[in-house]
Amino acid sequence: GAVVSQHPSRVICKSGTSVKIECRSLDFQATTMFWYRQFPKQSLMLMATSNEGSKATYEQGVEKDKFLINHASLTLSTLTVTSAHPEDSSFYICSAAGDTSGNTIYFGEGSWLTVV
Amino acid sequence: QKEVEQNSGPLSVPEGAIASLNCTYSDRGSQSFFWYRQYSGKSPELIMSIYSNGDKEDGRFTAQLNKASQYVSLLIRDSQPSDSATYLCAVANTGTASKLTFGTGTRLQVML
Repeated sequence: GAVVSQHPSRVICKSGTSVKIECRSLDFQATTMFWYRQFPKQSLMLMATSNEGSKATYEQGVEKDKFLINHASLTLSTLTVTSAHPEDSSFYICSAAGDTSGNTIYFGEGSWLTVV
Repeated sequence: QKEVEQNSGPLSVPEGAIASLNCTYSDRGSQSFFWYRQYSGKSPELIMSIYSNGDKEDGRFTAQLNKASQYVSLLIRDSQPSDSATYLCAVANTGTASKLTFGTGTRLQVML
């Protein structure tokens, strides 16, 4: 089946620095990728939708200048958390849908971000 | 505001029993419905998808959809300890892959 890979799986960064998370579709072309954030014991909250070659669409309340999303190719999207603060510590998950995935959305393994 | 509601649980069932998980949604235009299983600290994994009213069975899992009542459920037969996880209901308002609205999840505990 389709596989979506995220890297890194865990990252610790200092407050004020930036961190990049990569999401790759390994065996299909992902025309659309979604970025979610999940705080402990809460559900997944959609942050933004990215389409290859165009600007991401951010959900209400998500700062686009803080969470930079790039979807430059059909197999790679990146989320950069800029000037990270401890409250940005969370589980970040990407998902992807594409021309061969049909109605199915495949999730990456997730990335744990801890800002100290 | 599109909402997906689930009882947070925990729902405790003995091994071998049937676990029944329920979900209601507010957007009548919803067309696609999904159940995901999420183990602690891990990403969600798709269990079932359902698009039309009625039942859909896959192994020990049965999804049930009632669009008139805006209700979707997941039955797990012969529950196993390995089924212990949080089950997330997700809804999309198109028939193709699109952004999902998730419920808060129901934590299932299968007891030995």
